[in-house]
Amino acid sequence: AQKVTQAQTEISVVEKEDVTLDCVYETRDTTYYLFWYKQPPSGELVFLIRRNSFDEQNEISGRYSWNFQKSTSSFNFTITASQVVDSAVYFCALSEAGNDKIIFGKGTRLHILP
Amino acid sequence: ETGVTQTPRHLVMGMTNKKSLKCEQHLGHNAMYWYKQSAKKPLELMFVYSLEERVENNSVPSRFSPECPNSSHLFLHLHTLQPEDSALYLCASSRLVSGSGVTYEQYFGPGTRLTVT
Repeated sequence: AQKVTQAQTEISVVEKEDVTLDCVYETRDTTYYLFWYKQPPSGELVFLIRRNSFDEQNEISGRYSWNFQKSTSSFNFTITASQVVDSAVYFCALSEAGNDKIIFGKGTRLHILP
Repeated sequence: ETGVTQTPRHLVMGMTNKKSLKCEQHLGHNAMYWYKQSAKKPLELMFVYSLEERVENNSVPSRFSPECPNSSHLFLHLHTLQPEDSALYLCASSRLVSGSGVTYEQYFGPGTRLTVT
């Protein structure tokens, strides 16, 4: 069975601090996809990244970076120099290859304090 | 219009009313989804339409009835709802390439905040 665990329910940091959101997944498949989404207070889920299980290179996009470690089944997300606009709920998600269903974690609510 | 749009954004309805939620995607995708997001609960997948055919119905009560007339439009018809059905209803779409072994990301609309009184 597939499962996504985001153990951090809520995190608060002061602006400009770095923060890492943890994501641990479970799957029996050798080929799968991992995702991160951001849900700001407006409600819409915003797609951030999709990663194939065969691509273990870390990804950096501006202040965002992702650390994919197959050995520990983790796909962690780091925001560098956080800003108040980063305040949102962040979801990690998993899908089997070719499956149209995505399994979401429960989300981590991130508060960036000015 | 770009992306995924949903109307209405907010809806208040009584338990005896009938209403419909509408979703439209302008991304050329061929799969569409309805999710329910309640407070303190994870995202719940309700329905999946791939290539305009319903392929998933996660034990959703019959008071929710989806309709997908074409690949760009998705409806959720509501009737005789219960107060516990109050939630944010999110629509999403994605690209689906059968047999490719690739799962593409889903793009979400802004949601309809539903309150059942």
